[in-house]
Amino acid sequence: DAGVIQSPRHEVTEMGQEVTLRCKPISGHDYLFWYRQTMMRGLELLIYFNNNVPIDDSGMPEDRFSAKMPNASFSTLKIQPSEPRDSAVYFCASSLPQGGRTEAFFGQGTRLTVV
Amino acid sequence: DAKTTQPNSMESNEEEPVHLPCNHSTISGTDYIHWYRQLPSQGPEYVIHGLTSNVNNRMASLAIAEDRKSSTLILHRATLRDAAVYYCILRIWGIQGAQKLVFGQGTRLTINP
Repeated sequence: DAGVIQSPRHEVTEMGQEVTLRCKPISGHDYLFWYRQTMMRGLELLIYFNNNVPIDDSGMPEDRFSAKMPNASFSTLKIQPSEPRDSAVYFCASSLPQGGRTEAFFGQGTRLTVV
Repeated sequence: DAKTTQPNSMESNEEEPVHLPCNHSTISGTDYIHWYRQLPSQGPEYVIHGLTSNVNNRMASLAIAEDRKSSTLILHRATLRDAAVYYCILRIWGIQGAQKLVFGQGTRLTINP
C-alpha cells in the first residue's frame, strides 16, 4: 500500500476563497483523522471518522470548516471562506479499528498558506 | 482527555542511549501508551505502544512503570536521523467507544555528532 495520500502537498490561496484538502486512507482502515499543526498550537485533532461516519468534530474550529467522508477511500476537509489564520499544515491519518492496540499512519500533510 | 507531560527538549550524543520520559498520572485502565515521532517536514510516525508490560521493537523500547503513571521511551543507540519531536500519547476512548490520539507538545530531541 502507498500509505495515506494527501493532496495537494502545498496550497496557496487568497483570503475568502474556498479551499478543499483531500485524503485517501490506507485500504481497510476504518478510522480516519484530520489534524492541523501550527507553531503556536501544535498538533490539534479536528475531527475523526469511523466507518465513514463523523464521530467527534469537537475540534473543528469554526463553521467555516467542514469535513466529509463519502466512501471508505476518500475524505475532504473544506474551509469556506478561508482566512490567513487558517494557514497551517493539515495532516490526515488512518488506522485499523482494533482500539488502542493499533497505530495510526499519517500522510505527508498539506501546507496551506492563506494570503 | 487524559494528559501527558514531557520535557520540552533533550539533547544527546550520537551512538549513546537516550531515555525520553513521560508522565501520565491520570491514565485509566484501558488507555494504551503510544509514542510517535515527527521528523522535520514530515507527518508523525508511529514508534511503539504498550499497555502494561515493557515492549521492544526494531526502533525502540518502551518501559512502563508498574503503576502505569509514567513511561520511558528508550532509543538504544541514537543516530543523527533520530533527531525529531517525540510525542507520548494516551490512546483514549472517545465518543461511542471510538479511539482517538490527542497530541501534546512533545520533546524535541537533538542529537550531537
